[in-house]
Parts: sequence; C-alpha cells; structure tokens
Amino acid sequence: RKEVEQDPGPFNVPEGATVAFNCTYSNSASQSFFWYRQDCRKEPKLLMSVYSSGNEDGRFTAQLNRASQYISLLIRDSKLSDSATYLCAAQAGYSTLTFGKGTMLLVSP
Amino acid sequence: ETGVTQSPTHLIKTRGQQVTLRCSSQSGHNTVSWYQQALGQGPQFIFQYYREEENGRGNFPPRFSGLQFPNYSSELNVNALELDDSALYLCASSRGEGSGGYNEQFFGPGTRLTVL
Repeated sequence: RKEVEQDPGPFNVPEGATVAFNCTYSNSASQSFFWYRQDCRKEPKLLMSVYSSGNEDGRFTAQLNRASQYISLLIRDSKLSDSATYLCAAQAGYSTLTFGKGTMLLVSP
Repeated sequence: ETGVTQSPTHLIKTRGQQVTLRCSSQSGHNTVSWYQQALGQGPQFIFQYYREEENGRGNFPPRFSGLQFPNYSSELNVNALELDDSALYLCASSRGEGSGGYNEQFFGPGTRLTVL
C-alpha cells in the first residue's frame, strides 16, 4: 500500500461547481499535511497547510480526519483558473514530505 | 514567488555522465530538501540538508549525493546517469528544526533533466 494515496482523476467540473478531493495516508506518525497545486510542467505551489482538524482559505477548505487517516480538499465556486493537479503531502516531524500522485482537476466553461 | 531559485532550468545529458544541479533557498530558511518528480508521479524525496549536514534520505542510490553551503544554498550531484533519471528535480526550502511553529516547504521552479 502506498503511503499517500489519491484518486488521479481527472475530475471534470463546470465553472461554479463545488468539488472535493480525498487523500489517505498510512503513516500514523504523520503530523502535518499539505495541499499543493501544480500546473503543467511547473513546480508545486503550497495551497494549504493542515495541522489540526482543518483549515479554510476563501473558496478552499481542508479537513483532517486522524481516526480514519484522510485529508480532504473542498473547492467551492470553481474557476477556470483552478484547473491543475492537486498534490496531497504528509509529513512526520520536520523532515520529508511524502506525496501522493496528485488529482487532476479540469474546470470547463 | 517563493524566492527559491534553481539552475539550470533544463539539461540534456547522456547515459553515464554526471550532473550538478543548484538551488538557492528562500531568505531565512536553513533547510533544503531535494525531490525527483517523474512524469505522472508525485515528487519523491531524495534527501534533506540542514545546517550543512544530510538530515534524512529517501530510497535513492549513493550515486545521488548532495551538499549544503554556509549560505544554505545546495547542490544535488548525480553520477553515472541512467535513462530513468530523466525527471523534474525540485528543491524546497523550509525553516527547519528548531524554528518553532510550522515547517512548510516552498519549491523552486525545478530543473528538467533529460538523459539520452
């Protein structure tokens, strides 16, 4: 079993829709979790950090469920510019980030 | 922008050659982590440098080596290149241990390495 797993998608949604991605992790020592956004052939850009039960930033909400070992990302009112790959990462301590393969989101007009 | 820079942006090498990739960390960050991202995959951890010492290593062979300098910039060296080394190499800087608070990692633009 992979340490961090994500549904690769693609998720095809119309503008204005609400979409949610899930990410599961297997290392129970993971304490910090992150969502990164990656555009094609570019570097990952930090979208949200999740240290407790959740975090909200504008249209984006992340939730953490430690008992079930998953993190979710909810995007409300999707924009065309939200089209990207969303990477989930788990971290134990201050060291390595363990990434999933990413979930592709395509927002259409 | 994150303030993390990498050079070169693109590189083409042949099998068996050696390559050095460079990374300058964000101001105030003392830790640099290197990742390899193959097409269609998430980034895979290679190693991390904290205060010029290796501070963790992923599942990569010894021909992947690195350095960190007193100004916290870093190099990744790969010897005896193989075709499977073709990937996007990313460095990420962070505040590291002892910084207190959160330890978010911020990525540079990456170096795209092609091995022929």
